[in-house]
Amino acid sequence: EVQLVESGGGLVQPGGSLRLSCAASGFTFSNYWMSWVRQAPGKGPEWVANIKQDGNEKYYVDSVKGRFTISRDNGKNSLYLQMNSLRVEDTAVYYCAKDGDMPLNWIDPWGPGTLVTVSS
Amino acid sequence: DIVMTQSPDSLAVSLGERATINCKSSQTVLYSSNNKNYLAWYQQKPGQPPKLLIYWASTRESGVPDRFSGSGSGRDFTLTISSLQAEDVAIYYCQQYYTTPRTFGQGTKVEIK
Repeated sequence: EVQLVESGGGLVQPGGSLRLSCAASGFTFSNYWMSWVRQAPGKGPEWVANIKQDGNEKYYVDSVKGRFTISRDNGKNSLYLQMNSLRVEDTAVYYCAKDGDMPLNWIDPWGPGTLVTVSS
Repeated sequence: DIVMTQSPDSLAVSLGERATINCKSSQTVLYSSNNKNYLAWYQQKPGQPPKLLIYWASTRESGVPDRFSGSGSGRDFTLTISSLQAEDVAIYYCQQYYTTPRTFGQGTKVEIK
């Protein structure tokens, strides 16, 4: 069974930084693209970023380009999201999600999520 | 970016009755080279992450009850719950994976009448 467990969320001030982690198990992590998706309170999901199997291709939604960095460690079956220059509008539950073997795919499954709150 | 617009925003349906949710994309999500629609549907219950129901616009994910069906092509899509059950109360989202960034609809909340 695929399991994805996020960690690293919390309360941070505007302009601050946070690093999210995701521990993956139950599948061959190195065979799949992986994504981060976020969901602001009461809103629909928003895809944030994804990363290729070998880590050499990455894509971001425009609103986080230059501020967020996605990375992975296939030896540790782990996915990361480094978030810098955080803004109030980045407040959301952040989900780690398994992508397909291609960059454009449905997203499934999703982890339970970790809450990031950006507030002074 | 492709904008996904769902209708209605919410609907209340009696148990055992049909629920229909529409999703319209701002541009086609039909890839002509393989004739596939890059459209998925998700169900989200309170406090849980979204769960995949349908991909390729009409292919049910393994384990999803057959009362859920997807249809449509190009820019217009529909998710139908043929006989609403109490456990189907949730918010439903469509999502296009035709191009980056992959985008979601705003959601349709389904309740029991």
